[in-house]
Amino acid sequence: SQTIHQWPATLVQPVGSPLSLECTVEGTSNPNLYWYRQAAGRGLQLLFYSVGIGQISSEVPQNLSASRPQDRQFILSSKKLLLSDSGFYLCAWSTSGSDTQYFGPGTRLTVL
Amino acid sequence: GNSVTQMEGPVTLSEEAFLTINCTYTATGYPSLFWYVQYPGEGLQLLLKATKADDKGSNKGFEATYRKETTSFHLEKGSVQVSDSAVYFCARGGETSGSRLTFGEGTQLTVNP
Repeated sequence: SQTIHQWPATLVQPVGSPLSLECTVEGTSNPNLYWYRQAAGRGLQLLFYSVGIGQISSEVPQNLSASRPQDRQFILSSKKLLLSDSGFYLCAWSTSGSDTQYFGPGTRLTVL
Repeated sequence: GNSVTQMEGPVTLSEEAFLTINCTYTATGYPSLFWYVQYPGEGLQLLLKATKADDKGSNKGFEATYRKETTSFHLEKGSVQVSDSAVYFCARGGETSGSRLTFGEGTQLTVNP
C-alpha cells in the first residue's frame, strides 16, 4: 500500500532563516506531487505541483520554492522566511492520470 | 471560472442529529467530486468521491450524490457522533482526468454529546 511521509511535524523558525520541508511517498511510482499551505482558518492554497523529476509548476509567486530531486521526494524550501510563511504545510500525491489526491500528515511551521 | 462553494460554518449539532453540508460547483464539463475530512492537527483524508452524474459516494455513514442538474454534491449523515467533529472540504477535479483539485473553503463541524 502507498504511504506518504512529511517531516518535520512541527517547526519553529526565526524570520529570515532558511526552510526545508520534506515529503516522501512510498509504494507508487511516478506520482504527481503537490504542496499546499493552510493558513489561519481552513482554506487550502496550492503552492506547487510536480508531474515528474525536475518538473515543478508554481501556482503562487512568493519566496518559497520547490524541488523534486527523486521520483518520490518533494521538497519545499525558502532562503529567508517571512512571518507570513507561518501555517500548516501539506504534501499530497496522486496517481498520474487520476484526480484523487492523498495527503500527508502535514508540517506546522511557526515563524517568529 | 471553475470553483467550489461550500456552506459556511461553523456547524454545531448534538449527537445523533442529521447532518447536511451543502456544496455546489461550477464546471463546463463533468469533473469528479470529492469530500475530504480533516481532524484537528492532521492532514486531509479522502472521505468519499463520485466520478459521474448520479453516482453516490459513501463511507463511514456519510453519503453524497453527484447532481448534475443542480451542480451540487451535498454531504449527508443520518446520525452524527462526537468523533465526526472535524473540518470538511468539498473538492472538484479538472475537466480532464489527472487535473488538479479545486477545494472549497471548508466547513467546521462540532458535534456535542
